[in-house]
Amino acid sequence: QVQLVESGGGVVQPGGSLRLSCAASGFTFSNHAMHWVRQAPGQGLEWVAFMRHDGRDRYYGNSVKGRFTISRDNSKKTLYLQMSSLRPEDTAVYFCARSKAVPGWADYWGQGILVAVSS
Amino acid sequence: DIQVTQSPSFLSASVGDRVTITCRASQGISTYLAWYQQKPGKAPRLLIYAASTLQSGVPSRFSGSGSGTEFTLTISSLQPEDFASYYCQQLNDFPLTFGGGTKVEIK
Repeated sequence: QVQLVESGGGVVQPGGSLRLSCAASGFTFSNHAMHWVRQAPGQGLEWVAFMRHDGRDRYYGNSVKGRFTISRDNSKKTLYLQMSSLRPEDTAVYFCARSKAVPGWADYWGQGILVAVSS
Repeated sequence: DIQVTQSPSFLSASVGDRVTITCRASQGISTYLAWYQQKPGKAPRLLIYAASTLQSGVPSRFSGSGSGTEFTLTISSLQPEDFASYYCQQLNDFPLTFGGGTKVEIK
């Protein structure tokens, strides 16, 4: 069965960096585009980033552009989100999600990982 | 950027009720719209994609319609397990955007 497991979250000071990982199993990872989506405490969903299956194209939400980088290692079946210059407003649960097909319907999601930015 | 406005933000309903949630896009997005359900502490679940296509395993009481700028999610007969938050998402153009969400609670 399809599984996505996020790791790498935790507490970080403002201005700091963190790298999230999303380990995929149960499907051919290299065939699917992937997303990162986040949810601040008590708030709605916010799309963060997207990367195509072959890594050639990547897109970002306006609030993270220039600070976050999405990447993937298809040989390790792992998606990453490198986060830098973190701000308190980046505090959220971060989900990775698999894209079902073009244009990117997210059909499987990880359980989420909490990132807290606080001094 | 394409803005997505979802209404209502909160809805109180009873088991068996017919429920409709609306999503409006700030510009035409054809049928590049998805609907998700989320329960507290859980990941979202894809219900509908391409505005009206039911995701595998989703009960048929859920349906979606619309194209262009106006879309609806309908639950024909609300069940106890349907009390949750619902989000629409446009996938016509980057950056992708979600609606603000609709929380469906028990009356």
